[in-house]
Amino acid sequence: GENVEQHPSTLSVQEGDSAVIKCTYSDSASNYFPWYKQELGKGPQLIIDIRSNVGEKKDQRIAVTLNKTAKHFSLHITETQPEDSAVYFCAARVDYKLSFGAGTTVTVRA
Amino acid sequence: DAGVIQSPRHEVTEMGQEVTLRCKPISGHDYLFWYRQTMMRGLELLIYFNNNVPIDDSGMPEDRFSAKMPNASFSTLKIQPSEPRDSAVYFCASSVGNSPLHFGNGTRLTVT
Repeated sequence: GENVEQHPSTLSVQEGDSAVIKCTYSDSASNYFPWYKQELGKGPQLIIDIRSNVGEKKDQRIAVTLNKTAKHFSLHITETQPEDSAVYFCAARVDYKLSFGAGTTVTVRA
Repeated sequence: DAGVIQSPRHEVTEMGQEVTLRCKPISGHDYLFWYRQTMMRGLELLIYFNNNVPIDDSGMPEDRFSAKMPNASFSTLKIQPSEPRDSAVYFCASSVGNSPLHFGNGTRLTVT
């Protein structure tokens, strides 16, 4: 099955700085790559996604890049704010099955 | 849109007891997924349904686990008998076709 690796596991940034999380996947059949944010006591919430026919997508302070050849995709958060503190998960989908990375705990220092 | 609704939010039970977790997907969504989240194994897909029919249950850990979807607005995940290693947060999610998954807020299960 699909194996998704995510790095780093923890990330501490100063407010206003950028945060970058990187993921790799194993199954070349994966064609959809969402990113989820999870806050304490809640379920994962979709923040951005990208499909395999697109190399980059941006939504305000959040951007995602995809390199299908290398099987890499990354999340970039610019101008980080305290409310960006959470656990972030990358995922890759084959057919209808979504496999998740282990998560990155992001802490934004005020 | 009330989102995906799960109940109960917390469940504490003794080893050997039967546990039933419930999920109401978003109206109109034809796919329903059950995930389990633990520190050791992260988010794992247990089973998913399409139009109330189980499609892939390869993630169900043991025969002690079973899931049903009697209609488009309700699904259950049952563990019988429960064991301490089943302690985890169980999430239900739904989607329309291959659109993004929407997750509920989960049921935190503790088996003592």
